[in-house]
Amino acid sequence: DTGVSQDPRHKITKRGQNVTFRCDPISEHNRLYWYRQTLGQGPEFLTYFQNEAQLEKSRLLSDRFSAERPKGSFSTLEIQRTEQGDSAMYLCASGKDYEQYFGPGTRLTVT
Amino acid sequence: TQLLEQSPQFLSIQEGENLTVYCNSSSVFSSLQWYRQEPGEGPVLLVTVVTGGEVKKLKRLTFQFGDARKDSSLHITAAQPGDTGLYLCAGVGAGGTSYGKLTFGQGTILTVHP
Repeated sequence: DTGVSQDPRHKITKRGQNVTFRCDPISEHNRLYWYRQTLGQGPEFLTYFQNEAQLEKSRLLSDRFSAERPKGSFSTLEIQRTEQGDSAMYLCASGKDYEQYFGPGTRLTVT
Repeated sequence: TQLLEQSPQFLSIQEGENLTVYCNSSSVFSSLQWYRQEPGEGPVLLVTVVTGGEVKKLKRLTFQFGDARKDSSLHITAAQPGDTGLYLCAGVGAGGTSYGKLTFGQGTILTVHP
Protein backbone atom coordinates (compact mmCIF):
# COMPACT_ATOMS: atom_id res chain seq x y z
CA ASP A 1 0.00 0.00 0.00
CA THR A 2 1.58 3.28 -1.10
CA GLY A 3 -0.96 5.62 0.54
CA VAL A 4 -0.57 7.77 3.64
CA SER A 5 -0.44 5.69 6.80
CA GLN A 6 -0.97 6.73 10.40
CA ASP A 7 -0.21 4.96 13.63
CA PRO A 8 -1.91 4.21 15.92
CA ARG A 9 -5.44 4.23 14.52
CA HIS A 10 -6.93 4.59 17.97
CA LYS A 11 -5.50 5.87 21.25
CA ILE A 12 -7.19 6.07 24.63
CA THR A 13 -5.27 7.95 27.29
CA LYS A 14 -5.85 9.44 30.68
CA ARG A 15 -5.88 13.19 31.14
CA GLY A 16 -2.40 14.52 31.82
CA GLN A 17 -0.55 11.82 29.87
CA ASN A 18 1.58 12.50 26.81
CA VAL A 19 0.77 10.91 23.44
CA THR A 20 2.65 10.72 20.14
CA PHE A 21 1.21 9.96 16.72
CA ARG A 22 3.12 9.02 13.59
CA CYS A 23 2.38 9.76 9.94
CA ASP A 24 4.13 8.16 6.98
CA PRO A 25 3.42 10.18 3.83
CA ILE A 26 3.48 9.08 0.21
CA SER A 27 7.19 8.86 -0.52
CA GLU A 28 7.48 11.39 -3.36
CA HIS A 29 5.40 14.07 -1.59
CA ASN A 30 7.41 16.90 -0.08
CA ARG A 31 4.50 18.56 1.73
CA LEU A 32 2.90 17.17 4.87
CA TYR A 33 -0.06 18.57 6.80
CA TRP A 34 -1.70 17.82 10.14
CA TYR A 35 -5.39 18.53 10.74
CA ARG A 36 -7.73 17.94 13.67
CA GLN A 37 -11.35 16.94 13.24
CA THR A 38 -14.04 16.79 15.91
CA LEU A 39 -17.27 14.87 15.48
CA GLY A 40 -19.61 16.36 12.89
CA GLN A 41 -17.16 19.07 11.83
CA GLY A 42 -14.73 19.58 9.00
CA PRO A 43 -10.99 19.16 9.62
CA GLU A 44 -9.10 22.17 11.02
CA PHE A 45 -5.55 22.94 9.94
CA LEU A 46 -2.87 22.48 12.60
CA THR A 47 0.52 22.66 10.92
CA TYR A 48 2.39 22.17 7.66
CA PHE A 49 5.84 20.97 6.62
CA GLN A 50 7.67 21.38 3.37
CA ASN A 51 10.37 18.75 3.51
CA GLU A 52 11.75 19.04 7.06
CA ALA A 53 10.83 22.71 7.55
CA GLN A 54 7.71 23.54 9.56
CA LEU A 55 6.35 26.51 7.63
CA GLU A 56 3.09 27.32 9.35
CA LYS A 57 1.40 26.60 12.67
CA SER A 58 -2.22 27.32 13.52
CA ARG A 59 -3.06 29.17 16.71
CA LEU A 60 -4.98 25.97 17.56
CA LEU A 61 -1.58 24.41 18.15
CA SER A 62 -0.96 25.35 21.77
CA ASP A 63 2.39 25.00 23.52
CA ARG A 64 1.39 21.46 24.49
CA PHE A 65 1.49 20.40 20.85
CA SER A 66 4.69 19.83 18.91
CA ALA A 67 5.26 18.37 15.48
CA GLU A 68 8.42 17.23 13.79
CA ARG A 69 9.42 15.88 10.42
CA PRO A 70 13.05 14.80 10.68
CA LYS A 71 14.77 14.27 7.35
CA GLY A 72 11.61 15.29 5.52
CA SER A 73 10.10 11.82 5.65
CA PHE A 74 7.71 10.64 8.37
CA SER A 75 6.23 13.10 10.86
CA THR A 76 5.26 12.90 14.51
CA LEU A 77 2.70 14.93 16.42
CA GLU A 78 3.09 14.96 20.20
CA ILE A 79 0.54 16.23 22.68
CA GLN A 80 1.81 16.80 26.21
CA ARG A 81 -0.40 16.86 29.31
CA THR A 82 -3.48 15.83 27.36
CA GLU A 83 -6.83 17.42 28.18
CA GLN A 84 -10.34 16.13 27.47
CA GLY A 85 -10.72 18.83 24.85
CA ASP A 86 -7.92 17.20 22.87
CA SER A 87 -10.22 14.27 22.05
CA ALA A 88 -10.57 14.29 18.27
CA MET A 89 -9.49 12.61 15.05
CA TYR A 90 -5.97 13.70 14.05
CA LEU A 91 -5.51 13.54 10.29
CA CYS A 92 -2.29 13.65 8.32
CA ALA A 93 -2.15 14.48 4.62
CA SER A 94 0.68 14.61 2.14
CA GLY A 95 0.76 16.21 -1.25
CA LYS A 96 2.38 17.98 -4.10
CA ASP A 97 0.83 20.74 -6.18
CA TYR A 98 -2.67 21.46 -4.93
CA GLU A 99 -3.79 17.93 -4.18
CA GLN A 100 -3.58 16.32 -0.77
CA TYR A 101 -4.02 12.70 0.14
CA PHE A 102 -5.24 11.94 3.61
CA GLY A 103 -4.37 9.08 5.89
CA PRO A 104 -7.02 7.18 7.87
CA GLY A 105 -6.45 9.30 10.97
CA THR A 106 -5.71 8.60 14.62
CA ARG A 107 -8.75 8.74 16.89
CA LEU A 108 -7.69 10.12 20.31
CA THR A 109 -9.92 9.74 23.34
CA VAL A 110 -8.83 11.45 26.56
CA THR A 111 -10.61 10.12 29.67
CA THR B 1 -9.68 34.53 8.59
CA GLN B 2 -11.12 32.73 5.58
CA LEU B 3 -14.27 30.78 6.38
CA LEU B 4 -16.37 28.39 4.34
CA GLU B 5 -20.05 27.92 5.10
CA GLN B 6 -21.63 24.70 3.93
CA SER B 7 -25.35 24.02 3.70
CA PRO B 8 -27.32 22.09 4.51
CA GLN B 9 -25.55 20.48 7.46
CA PHE B 10 -27.74 17.36 7.26
CA LEU B 11 -29.56 15.84 4.30
CA SER B 12 -31.71 12.72 4.44
CA ILE B 13 -33.28 11.61 1.16
CA GLN B 14 -34.69 8.59 -0.63
CA GLU B 15 -32.82 6.67 -3.29
CA GLY B 16 -33.36 8.22 -6.72
CA GLU B 17 -33.79 11.80 -5.52
CA ASN B 18 -31.56 14.68 -6.58
CA LEU B 19 -29.75 16.96 -4.15
CA THR B 20 -27.49 20.01 -4.05
CA VAL B 21 -24.94 20.98 -1.41
CA TYR B 22 -23.69 24.55 -1.24
CA CYS B 23 -20.37 26.00 -0.13
CA ASN B 24 -20.03 29.76 0.33
CA SER B 25 -17.23 32.07 1.40
CA SER B 26 -16.70 35.78 1.76
CA SER B 27 -13.12 35.26 0.53
CA VAL B 28 -11.68 34.28 -2.81
CA PHE B 29 -9.76 31.02 -2.98
CA SER B 30 -7.30 30.06 -5.68
CA SER B 31 -9.20 26.81 -6.06
CA LEU B 32 -11.76 24.76 -4.23
CA GLN B 33 -11.93 21.05 -3.57
CA TRP B 34 -14.68 18.64 -2.65
CA TYR B 35 -14.03 15.60 -0.48
CA ARG B 36 -16.08 12.64 0.68
CA GLN B 37 -15.39 11.03 4.03
CA GLU B 38 -16.58 7.70 5.41
CA PRO B 39 -16.85 7.14 9.18
CA GLY B 40 -13.46 6.38 10.73
CA GLU B 41 -11.55 7.21 7.55
CA GLY B 42 -9.78 10.23 6.12
CA PRO B 43 -11.35 12.46 3.46
CA VAL B 44 -10.99 11.34 -0.16
CA LEU B 45 -10.60 13.98 -2.86
CA LEU B 46 -13.44 14.02 -5.42
CA VAL B 47 -12.60 17.06 -7.53
CA THR B 48 -10.67 20.33 -7.73
CA VAL B 49 -12.23 23.37 -9.42
CA VAL B 50 -9.93 26.22 -10.35
CA THR B 51 -11.52 28.57 -12.87
CA GLY B 52 -14.49 30.83 -12.07
CA GLY B 53 -17.61 29.39 -13.68
CA GLU B 54 -16.00 25.98 -14.11
CA VAL B 55 -18.25 22.92 -14.16
CA LYS B 56 -16.89 19.40 -13.67
CA LYS B 57 -18.78 16.14 -13.83
CA LEU B 58 -17.92 12.87 -12.13
CA LYS B 59 -20.55 10.28 -13.12
CA ARG B 60 -23.70 11.42 -11.28
CA LEU B 61 -21.90 14.24 -9.44
CA THR B 62 -21.70 17.76 -10.90
CA PHE B 63 -19.44 20.37 -9.33
CA GLN B 64 -19.59 24.09 -10.08
CA PHE B 65 -17.28 26.94 -9.08
CA GLY B 66 -18.90 30.36 -8.88
CA ASP B 67 -17.86 33.10 -11.30
CA ALA B 68 -16.31 35.12 -8.46
CA ARG B 69 -14.56 32.00 -7.07
CA LYS B 70 -16.21 32.48 -3.69
CA ASP B 71 -18.82 29.74 -3.84
CA SER B 72 -19.31 26.24 -5.15
CA SER B 73 -22.01 23.61 -5.38
CA LEU B 74 -22.19 19.86 -5.58
CA HIS B 75 -25.21 18.33 -7.28
CA ILE B 76 -25.94 14.61 -7.14
CA THR B 77 -28.42 13.13 -9.60
CA ALA B 78 -30.41 10.02 -8.72
CA ALA B 79 -28.73 9.49 -5.36
CA GLN B 80 -27.89 5.95 -4.29
CA PRO B 81 -27.31 4.48 -0.81
CA GLY B 82 -23.61 4.22 -1.68
CA ASP B 83 -23.48 8.03 -1.85
CA THR B 84 -24.07 8.19 1.92
CA GLY B 85 -21.25 9.98 3.72
CA LEU B 86 -19.83 13.30 4.84
CA TYR B 87 -19.20 15.75 2.00
CA LEU B 88 -16.66 18.48 2.62
CA CYS B 89 -15.68 21.51 0.61
CA ALA B 90 -12.25 23.01 1.13
CA GLY B 91 -10.63 26.20 -0.08
CA VAL B 92 -7.01 25.92 -1.16
CA GLY B 93 -4.42 28.46 0.01
CA ALA B 94 -2.54 30.03 -2.86
CA GLY B 95 0.89 31.14 -1.89
CA GLY B 96 3.63 31.71 0.62
CA THR B 97 3.51 29.61 3.75
CA SER B 98 -0.19 28.85 3.14
CA TYR B 99 0.51 27.06 -0.13
CA GLY B 100 -1.81 24.09 -0.39
CA LYS B 101 -3.28 24.62 3.08
CA LEU B 102 -6.95 23.63 3.16
CA THR B 103 -9.72 25.53 4.90
CA PHE B 104 -12.69 23.20 5.28
CA GLY B 105 -16.38 23.86 5.60
CA GLN B 106 -18.21 22.11 8.42
CA GLY B 107 -19.47 19.39 6.10
CA THR B 108 -22.79 17.99 4.94
CA ILE B 109 -23.87 14.60 6.28
CA LEU B 110 -25.80 12.88 3.51
CA THR B 111 -27.95 9.81 4.16
CA VAL B 112 -29.59 8.08 1.21
CA HIS B 113 -32.28 5.58 2.19
CA PRO B 114 -33.00 2.57 -0.04
